[in-house]
Amino acid sequence: SQQGEEDPQALSIQEGENATMNCSYKTSINNLQWYRQNSGRGLVHLILIRSNEREKHSGRLRVTLDTSKKSSSLLITASRAADTASYFCATDSTGTYKYIFGTGTRLKVLA
Amino acid sequence: NAGVMQNPRHLVRRRGQEARLRCSPMKGHSHVYWYRQLPEEGLKFMVYLQKENIIDESGMPKERFSAEFPKEGPSILRIQQVVRGDSAAYFCASSPYPGNLNQPQHFGDGTRLSIL
Repeated sequence: SQQGEEDPQALSIQEGENATMNCSYKTSINNLQWYRQNSGRGLVHLILIRSNEREKHSGRLRVTLDTSKKSSSLLITASRAADTASYFCATDSTGTYKYIFGTGTRLKVLA
Repeated sequence: NAGVMQNPRHLVRRRGQEARLRCSPMKGHSHVYWYRQLPEEGLKFMVYLQKENIIDESGMPKERFSAEFPKEGPSILRIQQVVRGDSAAYFCASSPYPGNLNQPQHFGDGTRLSIL
């Protein structure tokens, strides 16, 4: 199966609540990235975390990485309706040039 | 607009025709990736190119699909003799660095290909 698998597949929350998405992968990596995709648009890079990092913050985003469990989580705090989008994790694969994307979490934030 | 430009945004073809998808990377970027996305799914890697070179085409079907990134001009993804199963969104991403150097990719808004 694909390298990156996100869960949940879909998430619906109220504005102001926090949203947590998880990503699991299979092989060793140099880095893991999170992207957002609005409907009908391309992907927008959110945050990159290197394999030797455990946690990273960017504004309302917090990403963790556990290489022993081959998993990562993306936390969006104080969500807004504008955060409604699909969120994907992407991993490189040591020794290759390509990135492998997960199947995504579809987040809906209700106003 | 200094972003990755893809055209056309929408492309309709009949079965058996050829589809040409274009991608102009961001200025200064010499690394281009092509991905395919089916509805409600993630992106599937197809091919990675540098100027005038195909570096990794392991995700691209061996038949009917080809890609190029000439010295001058956009990168082209070409699909010959299209079939209904080729209907998808095709995304291009560019980077100033090779894909293994811990750098993000910059995506275009994609070409939505529909096969009648």
